[in-house]
Amino acid sequence: DTEVTQTPKHLVMGMTNKKSLKCEQHMGHRAMYWYKQKAKKPPELMFVYSYEKLSINESVPSRFSPECPNSSLLNLHLHALQPEDSALYLCASSQDKGYEQYFGPGTRLTVT
Amino acid sequence: KNEVEQSPQNLTAQEGEFITINCSYSVGISALHWLQQHPGGGIVSLFMLSSGKKKHGRLIATINIQEKHSSLHITASHPRDSAVYICAVNGGADGLTFGKGTHLIIQP
Repeated sequence: DTEVTQTPKHLVMGMTNKKSLKCEQHMGHRAMYWYKQKAKKPPELMFVYSYEKLSINESVPSRFSPECPNSSLLNLHLHALQPEDSALYLCASSQDKGYEQYFGPGTRLTVT
Repeated sequence: KNEVEQSPQNLTAQEGEFITINCSYSVGISALHWLQQHPGGGIVSLFMLSSGKKKHGRLIATINIQEKHSSLHITASHPRDSAVYICAVNGGADGLTFGKGTHLIIQP
């Protein structure tokens, strides 16, 4: 199984809502990543987890809260988002940091 | 921080043409990735290179570490190759640093 899955595929939420994005992989990878991609722009790194510990937080606002409950699962909790947070949120995993990354299909988020 | 530059930004070609996309970066890296993204879609990893050349089907990727330059070639291009091709680099323990992408359209 070389797949990274993400749910939901699409999400529309209001600025007062709380929602979560989910990412799962069963490749035994120990590094997992969240990226944000705005339309017609390259992805930007948000968070890196290594061995279930947060190793990099690229100055992301606190309204985004990552969680890695186990080695196969990565969540991104969303609260009080702004319309400018609307984007494609991509999850990726790799054997370890610095190895080839496998990307999920993304969650397209719209904040109204 | 590594600067990753891709050229061209946009490329339109006829089916069957040989395609070359270039990528240069400013700081030494441990590996370079070529990724493909279809409109509205997720990202597929095509190659990860640290030296030399790799080939997969009609796709060929090369890297010159001394010159900090990589190329992605597509032979016998086909309309289904139309996508955004993104160069990204591993600088070390961080996540990837991405180029802005090359929008490729192959016309029948």
